Amino acid sequence: GAVVSQHPSRVICKSGTSVKIECRSLDFQATTMFWYRQFPKQSLMLMATSNEGSKATYEQGVEKDKFLINHASLTLSTLTVTSAHPEDSSFYICSAIKGTWGIQETQYFGPGTRLLVL
Amino acid sequence: AQKITQTQPGMFVQEKEAVTLDCTYDTSDQSYGLFWYKQPSSGEMIFLIYQGSYDEQNATEGRYSLNFQKARKSANLVISASQLGDSAMYFCAMRGRDAGNMLTFGGGTRLMVKP
Repeated sequence: GAVVSQHPSRVICKSGTSVKIECRSLDFQATTMFWYRQFPKQSLMLMATSNEGSKATYEQGVEKDKFLINHASLTLSTLTVTSAHPEDSSFYICSAIKGTWGIQETQYFGPGTRLLVL
Repeated sequence: AQKITQTQPGMFVQEKEAVTLDCTYDTSDQSYGLFWYKQPSSGEMIFLIYQGSYDEQNATEGRYSLNFQKARKSANLVISASQLGDSAMYFCAMRGRDAGNMLTFGGGTRLMVKP
């Protein structure tokens, strides 16, 4: 398998502040990483695709100015929730593909970050 | 567009028994991949098994097997000899060019293993 880490695992912040979540591929290089959001008892919703060295591709309905994604290296992508509000409280999960992005490549997921905005 | 449907929101199974989690999909692609993930209460998504659309044999990984019926567009997960640690959410997912090679998830099935 492959290991993907996320930090922090849990964060509580005040409304209006910004929160940065890091996603790292520990034992492989990831040209492409993905950021998902999951509400309680629901499935994962893709927010954006993060490509190393280029701008992220956001899914429809996801505000790119609110959810800033930076993929500065082949092992690190960051998601910054800017001016967080209570409705941004959610479980955020990153994922990375080991190898070339193709149909059969397995996506490995990080352990997730629980964000609570007060 | 591709779509994944898991019709069982929740299921119970007795410990040591086998259980089948249903998954049906819809896609116009000829080439695609099917995946199953397990999500325990901790939240992490654990990859279980993969089946390619052109694979002739059903995939198996330990106690997990995938009952792939291409004509019916179904990819059911079979867990044999259930263990208490199998209690979790299970997500079926697929990837194909129809959706830009993005992983599309089903709604999930919560499996509860009874001692």
